[in-house]
Amino acid sequence: EAQVTQNPRYLITVTGKKLTVTCSQNMNHEYMSWYRQDPGLGLRQIYYSMNVEVTDKGDVPEGYKVSRKEKRNFPLILESPSPNQTSLYFCASSSASSGGAVSNEQFFGPGTRLTVL
Amino acid sequence: GQQLNQSPQSMFIQEGEDVSMNCTSSSIFNTWLWYKQDPGEGPVLLIALYKAGELTSNGRLTAQFGITRKDSFLNISASIPSDVGIYFCAGPKTSYDKVIFGPGTSLSVIP
Repeated sequence: EAQVTQNPRYLITVTGKKLTVTCSQNMNHEYMSWYRQDPGLGLRQIYYSMNVEVTDKGDVPEGYKVSRKEKRNFPLILESPSPNQTSLYFCASSSASSGGAVSNEQFFGPGTRLTVL
Repeated sequence: GQQLNQSPQSMFIQEGEDVSMNCTSSSIFNTWLWYKQDPGEGPVLLIALYKAGELTSNGRLTAQFGITRKDSFLNISASIPSDVGIYFCAGPKTSYDKVIFGPGTSLSVIP
């Protein structure tokens, strides 16, 4: 089954304790992205990756890191989480042409609800 | 900052009613996308529109690409309880731009 998986689904942590949210896709997609969803703000892009070893900042990258060592995985790292990073996080993937045009259909994971105390 | 606006922000309707929602932008888009997010899940693409004036249906859903290219509309006919969720409009301005999402319209259907 084609899917995007995220772990954990729920996480409660404390300020300053480093954490990683994993994301994996089995569709051989080039493009992967992380979003955070907050009430009234929709989905805001944190970071994205056009392919292995190619990552770039989205609209709200402060306080986050990512890596793309393998095509299927795109972990989101919070080195020192703060309460304003409490949110619902989604990983997504889609295909992309060699010319850089990304498919409009993004496949989303089930989400990770993070609470930072 | 955010460039897409959606209205209404939320709506409560009776089962069987038709629903209309829209999405507007101050910029021209060459593609409009409508996603639905079921409670507790990630968004799923419903309809994609690629041409000004285009009208596309997916079952009881119909979406239109506004002729000004700055807006799009989504209609749901004869709503049912499983239509509950958040509907997002989204789009890239060009094929090589990233997709940006609107704030969403939350739909509740009363049986």
